[in-house]
Amino acid sequence: DGGITQSPKYLFRKEGQNVTLSCEQNLNHDAMYWYRQDPGQGLRLIYYSQIVNDFQKGDIAEGYSVSREKKESFPLTVTSAQKNPTAFYLCASIADSGANVLTFGAGSRLTVL
Amino acid sequence: QQQVKQSPQSLIVQKGGIPIINCAYENTAFDYFPWYQQFPGKGPALLIAIRPDVSEKKEGRFTISFNKSAKQFSLHIMDSQPGDSATYFCAASVETSGSRLTFGEGTQLTVNP
Repeated sequence: DGGITQSPKYLFRKEGQNVTLSCEQNLNHDAMYWYRQDPGQGLRLIYYSQIVNDFQKGDIAEGYSVSREKKESFPLTVTSAQKNPTAFYLCASIADSGANVLTFGAGSRLTVL
Repeated sequence: QQQVKQSPQSLIVQKGGIPIINCAYENTAFDYFPWYQQFPGKGPALLIAIRPDVSEKKEGRFTISFNKSAKQFSLHIMDSQPGDSATYFCAASVETSGSRLTFGEGTQLTVNP
């Protein structure tokens, strides 16, 4: 079945540690996105990539980094510079930048102790 | 202004009731208004969407009402069921420019048996 796989589903880390969240899609979608979800704040865009080897900052990029070396993969690193990293992280993709139907993964919940 | 304001933050109804979730926007260039449904521990999924050339769209028990002059749109769920209990997000974008979706804050709906 085609879809987006995020891993790990749950992750616990100590303050000051960098963590990388994996996002893999087999939908052959061009554009991929990372969102952060906090209660009462909706979905806020962290980074997005419309093509391999290119990505843009979203609304809350500070403290995060990404790479897009392969079309199917868009990993997100939460660095120690992110002040409040505990959240639910969602990866999504769209067939091309002209489309509007986002397909989401099941999410990764990061808890920083 | 890119914001989309959503209310209420939470909503509890009895089975068979008609919950209504409202969204308001400022950017008059928005021309695509989807609603996403998210079950606990899962990623959001597209539920229904509307474009401003119509004032209402129905898909099964779900209806979007759109008021272009008031810059508001709402989701109505007819004959609500406990299985409809989820978080609902409205969103908006300028589809013709392939812009990113801007999401509302989300509404946590509980339908009691």
